[in-house]
Amino acid sequence: QKEVEQDPGPLSVPEGAIVSLNCTYSNSAFQYFMWYRQYSRKGPELLMYTYSSGNKEDGRFTAQVDKSSKYISLFIRDSQPSDSATYLCAIRRDTPLVFGKGTRLSVIA
Amino acid sequence: DADVTQTPRNRITKTGKRIMLECSQTKGHDRMYWYRQDPGLGLRLIYYSFDVKDINKGEISDGYSVSRQAQAKFSLSLESAIPNQTALYFCATSEAATTDTQYFGPGTRLTVL
Repeated sequence: QKEVEQDPGPLSVPEGAIVSLNCTYSNSAFQYFMWYRQYSRKGPELLMYTYSSGNKEDGRFTAQVDKSSKYISLFIRDSQPSDSATYLCAIRRDTPLVFGKGTRLSVIA
Repeated sequence: DADVTQTPRNRITKTGKRIMLECSQTKGHDRMYWYRQDPGLGLRLIYYSFDVKDINKGEISDGYSVSRQAQAKFSLSLESAIPNQTALYFCATSEAATTDTQYFGPGTRLTVL
């Protein structure tokens, strides 16, 4: 079983939709959970991070962690064409980050 | 100016050639990383370094070597390039904090013919 599983998509939604992106992980020792956004032909950039179960909001973005289910989610409200990118989850234990493969999202105007 | 720079940004080379990709950072971070990204495979860690005297193999180090010349510089070498090393290569840095947030460079697109 891979340490982090992420559906690669692609996911295509209309502008204004609520988007849900998800990852599952296998090791309960993971402590820090992050979401990176990668635009085409660019390096990934940190979008959000959290270290506890529950929700964390930042504008239109909400990161959710359920440690009991080993499941993390990123919700995007009122999605915009500028949100079109690949979203990668990343999880930390005691060594470098472990990345999911990324989900490619397209928001259609 | 960008905090993490990579040179070259694009490179086309032939099988068997030696290639060096360079990374420089101005963030003052101790930790540096090299990843490759392939469609459908995501980011895979090649090598990482937690300080100038520390070098560690990642998930896919075979066929690659690295050099940490200074805190700010970390180079990746392909001693004898082969076509399946065609990929997008990213350098990243982080500071030794609990989250280990990584900051990525713009990437180098390498094509091996």
